[in-house]
Amino acid sequence: DGGITQSPKYLFRKEGQNVTLSCEQNLNHDAMYWYRQDPGQGLRLIYYSQIVNDFQKGDIAEGYSVSREKKESFPLTVTSAQKNPTAFYLCATGFGYEQYFGPGTRLTVT
Amino acid sequence: GESVGLHLPTLSVQEGDNSIINCAYSNSASDYFIWYKQESGKGPQFIIDIRSNMDKRQGQRVTVLLNKTVKHLSLQIAATQPGDSAVYFCAEMNTGNQFYFGTGTSLTVIP
Repeated sequence: DGGITQSPKYLFRKEGQNVTLSCEQNLNHDAMYWYRQDPGQGLRLIYYSQIVNDFQKGDIAEGYSVSREKKESFPLTVTSAQKNPTAFYLCATGFGYEQYFGPGTRLTVT
Repeated sequence: GESVGLHLPTLSVQEGDNSIINCAYSNSASDYFIWYKQESGKGPQFIIDIRSNMDKRQGQRVTVLLNKTVKHLSLQIAATQPGDSAVYFCAEMNTGNQFYFGTGTSLTVIP
């Protein structure tokens, strides 16, 4: 996990509520990523940011939003527009070709 | 689009035996590949990587082989130990610097 922290480890929300997942890093990496992991599927890219105050949509950005106001932080908001929000969410940082993952947050929406 | 797949979803090996996990990729232009290990409820951990200008790379107890002719990647773990039990998946980086991940193979080491 290195210098990447995600909190909380488990998160429960009622359907219709927005929820924000935290990702903080002290690796001084410019690039940060959010992935979603579902059983039996590979990681899917939600959003990524190569530099502060800039971010791009990944393959499954609908129903999610992000911000990158600081190099160290890349929070992900799961909005009520996301149809199937229950999943394991992974944040990663990038340095060159390498990616380093955080411990993940398991979000359950009922 | 990209597709990265694994031939076998599960693999069971005896402790001490060698393990081989396979991965197929579809984009011949991909130039960087990584193998990750993921234990239950945790984030993926980097194991080993290989660039497309290589066909073999060795680490501690692990070897990655790349066959660009058939677009195939494999991870070999020597003398598999119980602590090696996890899900292993490959990732490829395409020319757009985005990673695409395989679905994973669950490795179980039998003591």
